[in-house]
Amino acid sequence: EVQLVESGGGLVKPGGSLRLSCAASGFSFSSYSMNWVRQAPGKGLEWVSYFTSSSSYIYYADSVKGRFTISRDNAKNSLYLQMNSLRAEDTAVYYCARDHSVVAHAFDIWGQGTMVTVSS
Amino acid sequence: DIQLTQSPSSVSASVGDRVTITCRASQGISSWLAWYQQKPGKAPKLLIYAASSLQSGVPSRFSGSGSGTDFTLTISSLQPEDFATYYCQQANSFPFTFGPGTKVDIK
Repeated sequence: EVQLVESGGGLVKPGGSLRLSCAASGFSFSSYSMNWVRQAPGKGLEWVSYFTSSSSYIYYADSVKGRFTISRDNAKNSLYLQMNSLRAEDTAVYYCARDHSVVAHAFDIWGQGTMVTVSS
Repeated sequence: DIQLTQSPSSVSASVGDRVTITCRASQGISSWLAWYQQKPGKAPKLLIYAASSLQSGVPSRFSGSGSGTDFTLTISSLQPEDFATYYCQQANSFPFTFGPGTKVDIK
């Protein structure tokens, strides 16, 4: 079964750090570009970051640039998001999502999400 | 950044109704548009990619059309399991952006 499972969310104080993980299974992880997408409580979807399969390109939303770092370990079939200098507005469910196998940048597989709460 | 607007923001409909949701981009994005369905507490699910291509496993009552700046998602005959929020997303350029969503609920 093709699956993505996020972990690492939790409660953190403003200014703190957190590292999210996304474990992939059931497909050739190294062949796919991957993304992080978040959703604040009761709000819409916001794309956060992208990492190509070839590890050649990384992109970030302006709202997280300079604070978040995306990485991947193809040997471990895992995607990561290191989040530093966290703010209240970073509170959200964070999803990892796979780029579509046919058309780039549509997200065809999503994890169940992990909740990040930034509060004092 | 490319902005996406959706209309309506919400729609009340009955089982069997035809429902159409519109997504408009602030600049041309060719056919680089996807549609997602999201139910409460669940991850989004891809319905349509490349504006009109039906994702594998998605019922054929869902269809997408459009190119450039104007796109539509149509549900030909609404089923009980289709009550959800629907989002469009542009895949043309970074940063990828989503529309604000359209909630489809029961009349």
